[in-house]
Amino acid sequence: DAGVIQSPRHEVTEMGQEVTLRCKPISGHDYLFWYRQTMMRGLELLIYFNNNVPIDDSGMPEDRFSAKMPNASFSTLKIQPSEPRDSAVYFCASSLLWDRNTEAFFGQGTRLTVV
Amino acid sequence: AQSVTQLGSHVSVSEGALVLLRCNYSSSVPPYLFWYVQYPNQGLQLLLKYTTGATLVKGINGFEAEFKKSETSFHLTKPSAHMSDAAEYFCAVRRYGGATNKLIFGTGTLLAVQP
Repeated sequence: DAGVIQSPRHEVTEMGQEVTLRCKPISGHDYLFWYRQTMMRGLELLIYFNNNVPIDDSGMPEDRFSAKMPNASFSTLKIQPSEPRDSAVYFCASSLLWDRNTEAFFGQGTRLTVV
Repeated sequence: AQSVTQLGSHVSVSEGALVLLRCNYSSSVPPYLFWYVQYPNQGLQLLLKYTTGATLVKGINGFEAEFKKSETSFHLTKPSAHMSDAAEYFCAVRRYGGATNKLIFGTGTLLAVQP
């Protein structure tokens, strides 16, 4: 299995531009998560989906952030307009179940730098 | 709500020495606890997890953790450190109840292994 695949691995953009991060979960996994990692705030859950439906988006910081999952094998996280404080590593993760004893499998992350 | 606290943001050990990374949890319900490892520029990888049953949990790469309810702890240990163990380690707890179902991460401990 190729694991969770994220693209791009690195993204540098100018403030005000739209940024789209992409994720392909592990085949057959029906839960998908977006996390953000920063030095100041650590790992934060932004949103997660079950069967392509957003379940909890309470971690999405602002309306500038949006996430979609048009099908079981693809998800996007979009920031529009981007700001320097959005600079972070964004992780996508997936899970077959989301029971109390199951874990999430993480992608390698997208390092976003907004200048 | 369930949470975890990792004591020590940086730990340095000599190669061959004992590794001890500390994690304390707070939970009013039976906790479900996890340790993840993050190597440089990589995603998070599950080391081990505690759900129910045996309180001493063995994971990958020779790591193990012991769930101690009386101490509300889930410390990670390895008898003999190897250079390849240098990474950041995250303790996590499942936060669940009602509509909530999230994996909450600690702030991480960066492990350095000296030759």
